[in-house]
Amino acid sequence: KQEVTQIPAALSVPEGENLVLNCSFTDSAIYNLQWFRQDPGKGLTSLLLIQSSQREQTSGRLNASLDKSSGRSTLYIAASQPGDSATYLCAVRLYSGAGSYQLTFGKGTKLSVIP
Amino acid sequence: NAGVTQTPKFQVLKTGQSMTLQCAQDMNHNSMYWYRQDPGMGLRLIYYSASEGTTDKGEVPNGYNVSRLNKREFSLRLESAAPSQTSVYFCASRVPGQGFEFFGPGTRLTVL
Repeated sequence: KQEVTQIPAALSVPEGENLVLNCSFTDSAIYNLQWFRQDPGKGLTSLLLIQSSQREQTSGRLNASLDKSSGRSTLYIAASQPGDSATYLCAVRLYSGAGSYQLTFGKGTKLSVIP
Repeated sequence: NAGVTQTPKFQVLKTGQSMTLQCAQDMNHNSMYWYRQDPGMGLRLIYYSASEGTTDKGEVPNGYNVSRLNKREFSLRLESAAPSQTSVYFCASRVPGQGFEFFGPGTRLTVL
């Protein structure tokens, strides 16, 4: 059974700092890995999707890396802003047969960026 | 193009009551999913439907039933609600060939 762990569970940083969120998974036979953002009381917003054959993806101030063999991914946020405060979820996708894929989520890292 | 819609947004039930959570997508996706999110637990898959007419259990199916009414709609039914089913429920549909899903805004359910 795939398990996804995110460390740390919570993080508080001053505005302007660069930071790294960590995600690890137990089964390396993943189809892809996705990072989401969730604001309090809201749904999920997809940030970055990394296919299993890729090493990293970038979008603006966000950079996600994937090391499939070691079962790790990191989300790097440059020059953090108060608007980045949210919970960040890591999810890995496995092929479950018959054209179906299943996502397994970590419990998230709650980020607070202090002005 | 509304994406994935869920109704209701909020619901309060008493123990033992039944209700159906509705989900619809207008993107012609084949696969649809129901997740629940509990504090400190992340999202867990309840049921999924790879295509119209098929449904399969996920990680936490007990206490739930689903219906894939047509390609657009995938409903989740609680026959006899329990306080342990207090949660936020998310529906998602998968983009064919793209390897990712669109998520609905969620239904916040409280069972007293």
